Amino acid sequence: DAGVIQSPRHEVTEMGQEVTLRCKPISGHDYLFWYRQTMMRGLELLIYFNNNVPIDDSGMPEDRFSAKMPNASFSTLKIQPSEPRDSAVYFCASSGYRAAQETQYFGPGTRLLVL
Amino acid sequence: AQTVTQSQPEMSVQEAETVTLSCTYDTSESDYYLFWYKQPPSRQMILVIRQEAYKQQNATENRFSVNFQKAAKSFSLKISDSQLGDAAMYFCAFTYNNNDMRFGAGTRLTVKP
Repeated sequence: DAGVIQSPRHEVTEMGQEVTLRCKPISGHDYLFWYRQTMMRGLELLIYFNNNVPIDDSGMPEDRFSAKMPNASFSTLKIQPSEPRDSAVYFCASSGYRAAQETQYFGPGTRLLVL
Repeated sequence: AQTVTQSQPEMSVQEAETVTLSCTYDTSESDYYLFWYKQPPSRQMILVIRQEAYKQQNATENRFSVNFQKAAKSFSLKISDSQLGDAAMYFCAFTYNNNDMRFGAGTRLTVKP
């Protein structure tokens, strides 16, 4: 398996622009997680899906952030409009059935810089 | 609320020596899972080892082993025969049935040749 795939790997944009981050989970995994990593706050869970359904989005910082999972093999995290404080590394992770036992496998991350 | 604490922001070890990274956590749950992840400069998060709380036996993966003390809520990682490739940030993580994984702040490990 290719592992969790994220695109783009790097994104530089200007404040106010829309940013879309993409994730393809490991085939057969039914949980998908979006995390954000910053120096100040460390790793934070933003949202997670089970069988394509959002289960907990309490970590999404504000309405400018939205996430979708239209099918089992694709998810997006969108920021609109983007702000400089959104600059961070965004990770997607997936895990299998009974995810509390299964390991979360992480993608390589997307490094976002908002100018 | 579940919290994970890594009290060592930085650690250093000589190549081929042994180092132990500390982690404590706070929870009222009895059934949970603990992990150590490694993050090298590439920023990829790589699983090192995991432990189920109901298992008394400490997990081992080659040169990596844990000392799991459930009563003390402690979960330390021991790296034996340290190699240059072990240099990375190490994150301790905790999760239970709601899949909300909590991470510690990380320990930066330097390996000296």
